[in-house]
Amino acid sequence: ETGVTQSPTHLIKTRGQQVTLRCSSQSGHNTVSWYQQALGQGPQFIFQYYREEENGRGNFPPRFSGLQFPNYSSELNVNALELDDSALYLCASSLWDRGQETQYFGPGTRLLVL
Amino acid sequence: GESVGLHLPTLSVQEGDNSIINCAYSNSASDYFIWYKQESGKGPQFIIDIRSNMDKRQGQRVTVLLNKTVKHLSLQIAATQPGDSAVYFCAEIFLSGGYNKLIFGAGTRLAVHP
Repeated sequence: ETGVTQSPTHLIKTRGQQVTLRCSSQSGHNTVSWYQQALGQGPQFIFQYYREEENGRGNFPPRFSGLQFPNYSSELNVNALELDDSALYLCASSLWDRGQETQYFGPGTRLLVL
Repeated sequence: GESVGLHLPTLSVQEGDNSIINCAYSNSASDYFIWYKQESGKGPQFIIDIRSNMDKRQGQRVTVLLNKTVKHLSLQIAATQPGDSAVYFCAEIFLSGGYNKLIFGAGTRLAVHP
């Protein structure tokens, strides 16, 4: 086990609604990244937080936003949900140390948008 | 649990045989590479990594080979076991805009038959 936990495990929403997904990082890790994984594909990078600030973002619209808290837990918020947002959402925590970083993934939250 | 990678290429092997999973990467500036294993209903699990200044690294039952000339990565699994059945992703990591950008490959499903 990686020590990274996510909640909830599954979620069903309707188009237009908003959703908040949560992640608890591995102890000692200062960086969290969020990914979207559509069925049959590899994870796609959404954004990364380092010491509570966003320091990198993938090709996702602004309705995808996040937070990282002082205890390094994190949230992913998605507004105005669309059908194509249905996917597995993964968070990964890591320790940024002199440019080296291995990301450890949580089990994911499966989101279904109807 | 849900399925991961319904339409991914599949490598079928007999239990006890060696498996070789291949991956092509795109960015010649990538600093290091990671192989992840993803079982159904779970997040990606770190297997082994290799830095760009190496061409081979061995772990327990696994070996990763890196050929920078043709931008190719492979994962060799010795004495494949049923528990090795999963989807395998390679990921390339390079420093971009102050953070490590992690780009996943398409994935390969490994099916181990008794």
